[in-house]
Amino acid sequence: AQSVAQPEDQVNVAEGNPLTVKCTYSVSGNPYLFWYVQYPNRGLQFLLKYITGDNLVKGSYGFEAEFNKSQTSFHLKKPSALVSDSALYFCAVRDMRRNTGKLIFGQGTTLQVKP
Amino acid sequence: NAGVTQTPKFQVLKTGQSMTLQCAQDMNHEYMSWYRQDPGMGLRLIHYSVGAGITDQGEVPNGYNVSRSTTEDFPLRLLSAAPSQTSVYFCASRSGQLRDTQYFGPGTRLTVL
Repeated sequence: AQSVAQPEDQVNVAEGNPLTVKCTYSVSGNPYLFWYVQYPNRGLQFLLKYITGDNLVKGSYGFEAEFNKSQTSFHLKKPSALVSDSALYFCAVRDMRRNTGKLIFGQGTTLQVKP
Repeated sequence: NAGVTQTPKFQVLKTGQSMTLQCAQDMNHEYMSWYRQDPGMGLRLIHYSVGAGITDQGEVPNGYNVSRSTTEDFPLRLLSAAPSQTSVYFCASRSGQLRDTQYFGPGTRLTVL
């Protein structure tokens, strides 16, 4: 079955410290992976994606993600967290079955960055 | 480009009422979809469309209808609202290329009493 897991409901980090939001996936074939961020009462904003190529993907707002095929993971990282990074983060994988290309989402991880 | 737009932003319905959530995109995207977001459950796909005149069901289609008469518009209809349909609804679109990014609208917060 195609699925995405975000094992942490919430991640707490102090401002200025590095942050990691974890994501693992299960998909047949090569995965297309995405990270989105949702600020309170807003829609989802695209952060970055992995399609092919370098395992380290750089995205918006200083975020990056590392694709690890052997561990089937796509963890989101940032070297130095900001209070304004506090939001809900979603990992997603594209379902390639039947060529519909729909996105399958994890349940989301709330990131709290404290001053 | 306005991107993906949704109306209304908020709506309160009584059980049994019907309504249509509007979604439009101006990026000439072939693929459009509707999701609902509920606490702790991520986003679940309701219906999707791969082009004008073509729609299909997602994970949670019961109680919802869609149509796609134009490339730009993809309305979601609730025929007889139920309290279980209280949720935040997001419309999304992307081009026909699987590697392309999916863009989301701002959402509609629906409460069914």
